[in-house]
Amino acid sequence: GESVGLHLPTLSVQEGDNSIINCAYSNSASDYFIWYKQESGKGPQFIIDIRSNMDKRQGQRVTVLLNKTVKHLSLQIAATQPGDSAVYFCAEGGQNFVFGPGTRLSVLP
Amino acid sequence: DAGVIQSPRHEVTEMGQEVTLRCKPISGHDYLFWYRQTMMRGLELLIYFNNNVPIDDSGMPEDRFSAKMPNASFSTLKIQPSEPRDSAVYFCASSFAESEAFFGQGTRLTVV
Repeated sequence: GESVGLHLPTLSVQEGDNSIINCAYSNSASDYFIWYKQESGKGPQFIIDIRSNMDKRQGQRVTVLLNKTVKHLSLQIAATQPGDSAVYFCAEGGQNFVFGPGTRLSVLP
Repeated sequence: DAGVIQSPRHEVTEMGQEVTLRCKPISGHDYLFWYRQTMMRGLELLIYFNNNVPIDDSGMPEDRFSAKMPNASFSTLKIQPSEPRDSAVYFCASSFAESEAFFGQGTRLTVV
């Protein structure tokens, strides 16, 4: 069986629905944030980033929102597809990259 | 560019043996990172280099772990002697000028 480990929050969404993945960060001095996607057996893959002088940034089907007041990031995925199933990490960037624990996104057919 | 290249992809070794993991960063990148990923601890930063110089190794678990970057296109992470609790997936990543980091495919290490 699976060993005891980090309890990853899991978000289950219906294919075609929008997904919202949340992340809290701790360092109020952080000025650069990145979202990564990690599929099984692969390394984390860059999705989108945002600097602290912005509160919203859009990519293809993805939007990142930054609320510096409450130190909160969110990743919105529009029209979620089966290929979006993965673990999503937010990271505080700068000279080094500190990763959050991740959220598992499961897309239901 | 082929991206960050790590070798080997899989390594199985006996407790007490020396293990060397290798990484070739993306050409032109000036930062290189070594991470370890486990079920228990998630993704942990072990050490990072800037222009081949180690900047922060506070994440290296103990003296059995060492990392080098002899030139801009090569880095190694060595574990000597290895222990079963070192079993994990080790990732190398590189970035340019504090922008997004690009990850390799990882090395899955199993110490028996």
